[in-house]
Amino acid sequence: QVQLQESGPGLVKPSQTLSLTCTVSGDSITSGSYYWSWIRQPAGKGLELVGRFYSSGSTIYSPSLKSRVTISVDTSKNQFSLKLTSVTAADTAVYYCARDPGYGFDSWGQGTLVTVSS
Amino acid sequence: DIQMTQSPSSVSASVGDRVTITCRASQGISSWLAWYQQKPGKAPKLLIYAASSLQSGVPSRFSGSESGTDFTLTISSLQPEDFATYYCQEAYSSLRTFGQGTKVEIK
Repeated sequence: QVQLQESGPGLVKPSQTLSLTCTVSGDSITSGSYYWSWIRQPAGKGLELVGRFYSSGSTIYSPSLKSRVTISVDTSKNQFSLKLTSVTAADTAVYYCARDPGYGFDSWGQGTLVTVSS
Repeated sequence: DIQMTQSPSSVSASVGDRVTITCRASQGISSWLAWYQQKPGKAPKLLIYAASSLQSGVPSRFSGSESGTDFTLTISSLQPEDFATYYCQEAYSSLRTFGQGTKVEIK
């Protein structure tokens, strides 16, 4: 059974870079037909796809975040990472990593709260 | 971009009630629609995919249906553990847009 676990700082200062890592166990992020994704949820609000990559290497980013976001992969550690630059208070949210077989997100990490504040 | 509009935003119901939640897509998405349940402080849980396919391990009281660009999640007999927020999500586009959510509350 696949498991995903987010890790990274819970507090980031405005204008700095948010960096999170998702460690995957029970599945390889380079095999199979999966999209490995980052999703965020501000407190009391809905869910938003931040970006995702396919096991073949292609990436997709939210148009509203595209200029600030990068998803990278470390195949040796079976991890994928999120970097979001020039953060503001509007980026404060719970960030989830998740696996998408193409029809929906069937496995999720527990989520990690990132607060942007000085 | 595809917009997903859920209704109602909240519903009050009692244990044993039948509950229906609707999601409308702004354009055709075929059957590329998923439903999730989210409880406070937890990650969403996939309930239904491909509009009407039940995810493994999900109770059969949950069902999904579609009619054109309108999709419905039905809980046939509400149980205490079903009080939560429910989201639809299109799996047709790369952006995987979610609906705004429907909170099912205790009446």
